Amino acid sequence: KQEVTQIPAALSVPEGENLVLNCSFTDSAIYNLQWFRQDPGKGLTSLLLIQSSQREQTSGRLNASLDKSSGRSTLYIAASQPGDSATYLCAVKDNAGNMLTFGGGTRLMVKP
Amino acid sequence: GAGVSQSPRYKVAKRGQDVALRCDPISGHVSLFWYQQALGQGPEFLTYFQNEAQLDKSGLPSDRFFAERPEGSVSTLKIQRTQQEDSAVYLCASSLERGAMHIQYFGAGTRLSVL
Repeated sequence: KQEVTQIPAALSVPEGENLVLNCSFTDSAIYNLQWFRQDPGKGLTSLLLIQSSQREQTSGRLNASLDKSSGRSTLYIAASQPGDSATYLCAVKDNAGNMLTFGGGTRLMVKP
Repeated sequence: GAGVSQSPRYKVAKRGQDVALRCDPISGHVSLFWYQQALGQGPEFLTYFQNEAQLDKSGLPSDRFFAERPEGSVSTLKIQRTQQEDSAVYLCASSLERGAMHIQYFGAGTRLSVL
């Protein structure tokens, strides 16, 4: 059974810092990996989707990398802003099955 | 509508009461998913529909949980004889194509509190 772990569980940084969120998964037979953002009381917003054949995806100040063989992904946020404060969730879609398996999330707070 | 709509946004139920949670997916989306998110945790898969067919219900925690999508659009998640451990946010997601090969768009969720 696929298990997804996110480290750290919580992170507090001053505005302007570059930061890295980590995600690991136990079964490397994945179809794709997604990073989501969740604001309090809101649903999930997809930030980046990386297919299993890709190594990274970029969107604005966000860059996600994927190392399928080692079961790891990182989300890099450049020049963090208070508006980046949210919970970031990593989710994988296995080759078998249709659902996403999520990690527990990283709660990020960016202080002005 | 522009996005996935869920209702009600909040539901308080007494233990033993039956509840029904509604999901309106994005128009034309083939796939629909239900997830359960406990406080401080990531969402966990409950069930998956492709059009009106429920292709995977392996995540439903007990036979008290039932989901349907009779016309391949709106879906209802029903929980019978609610228990305190059912308290969670229930998220619905839809996707244009089958399976999870494409981006899933999530609703804001229904927060269920069982007293």
